[in-house]
Amino acid sequence: EADIYQTPRYLVIGTGKKITLECSQTMGHDKMYWYQQDPGMELHLIHYSYGVNSTEKGDLSSESTVSRIRTEHFPLTLESARPSHTSQYLCASSEIGYYGYTFGSGTRLTVV
Amino acid sequence: KNQVEQSPQSLIILEGKNCTLQCNYTVSPFSNLRWYKQDTGRGPVSLTIMTFSENTKSNGRYTATLDADTKQSSLHITASQLSDSASYICVVSGEGGATNKLIFGTGTLLAVQP
Repeated sequence: EADIYQTPRYLVIGTGKKITLECSQTMGHDKMYWYQQDPGMELHLIHYSYGVNSTEKGDLSSESTVSRIRTEHFPLTLESARPSHTSQYLCASSEIGYYGYTFGSGTRLTVV
Repeated sequence: KNQVEQSPQSLIILEGKNCTLQCNYTVSPFSNLRWYKQDTGRGPVSLTIMTFSENTKSNGRYTATLDADTKQSSLHITASQLSDSASYICVVSGEGGATNKLIFGTGTLLAVQP
């Protein structure tokens, strides 16, 4: 079944650690996105990609980085986690020429 | 400034009742408007997508309306069920429908009680 997967679902990590949040989709979508969402707040775009080797920063400044080496894979990395990075991170994908998004279930990150 | 405002912020209804959620936007130019359902701790799931030429769209017990002149949309839920308890998010796309230019509302938190 075509879908978009995020791992881990929950992560508690100490300050200063390097982490990578995984996102994979099996739909062959060219466009992929990372959003950050704090509780009760709206989603904010932090990174997006329109294809392999294409990455752009979104509207919300983020210290994270992304890579797009394969169409189906769009990982997000934090080199040195801080408590201010505590949030929910949502990955999404869409087809070119189609309005619809498919979201993953999210990773809830807590930095202590 | 492009904005999407939703009301009410939260709502409690009894199972079986109907409810209507509101969305007002100031996004210009306008391309399309989407309603998503987000369960706690999960990613949003698409309910409806409407372009400026559509004024109503249904998905089961969910019916969305759009008035592009007044820049208002509503989501009507019929015969609510406990599983409808979630946050409902209105999202507007401008700038030719560019998917990196979505404006998200903060959502309406709906609680359906037995």
